[in-house]
Amino acid sequence: KAGVTQTPRYLIKTRGQQVTLSCSPISGHRSVSWYQQTPGQGLQFLFEYFSETQRNKGNFPGRFSGRQFSNSRSEMNVSTLELGDSALYLCASSLVGGLGTDTQYFGPGTRLTVL
Amino acid sequence: QQQVKQSPQSLIVQKGGISIINCAYENTAFDYFPWYQQFPGKGPALLIAIRPDVSEKKEGRFTISFNKSAKQFSLHIMDSQPGDSATYFCAASKDYKLSFGAGTTVTVRA
Repeated sequence: KAGVTQTPRYLIKTRGQQVTLSCSPISGHRSVSWYQQTPGQGLQFLFEYFSETQRNKGNFPGRFSGRQFSNSRSEMNVSTLELGDSALYLCASSLVGGLGTDTQYFGPGTRLTVL
Repeated sequence: QQQVKQSPQSLIVQKGGISIINCAYENTAFDYFPWYQQFPGKGPALLIAIRPDVSEKKEGRFTISFNKSAKQFSLHIMDSQPGDSATYFCAASKDYKLSFGAGTTVTVRA
């Protein structure tokens, strides 16, 4: 069974630009979550989607947005990039997202560098 | 603010020794406490997890101890091996959201 795939793996952008990251969950998984990982702030939750609906979101500005498609694939978008947005963006998928009974599998991440 | 506090930031252990990582939380609504292992260049991978109605869970060389009244939980890695050298994150979940600790970098010396 293929794991969670994220594209692209590496990205370099300049301040003010926007970026779209893609995540393909494990086949059959309907819940997709996004996390930002930085050395200073660690792993922080961005948002979670299930059946194309956002069920929860973290404390990030509105420049961070996401969506999920009917095939459970998800994208996240960051507009008006800032230097502080440089991070590893991780996507995780699970069957239905009930973390008490449902394992969350992470992809390898997209490394975003903002210059 | 950090909802899950993790310590130590790093530790070094000899091969065959025991690694202990501690975490504490404040939100009593958390209902699931997983531990993740992350190697450089990889995403975190679930190692072991526990629910708050269980005080201890063991899987192979990895054991979680959970103290609900103290709102603390810990990971013990027994018989540490060089392949265990990685960063370990504790986490707590509520409403489809994982809150992570800051991570502990474990180095196992041969």
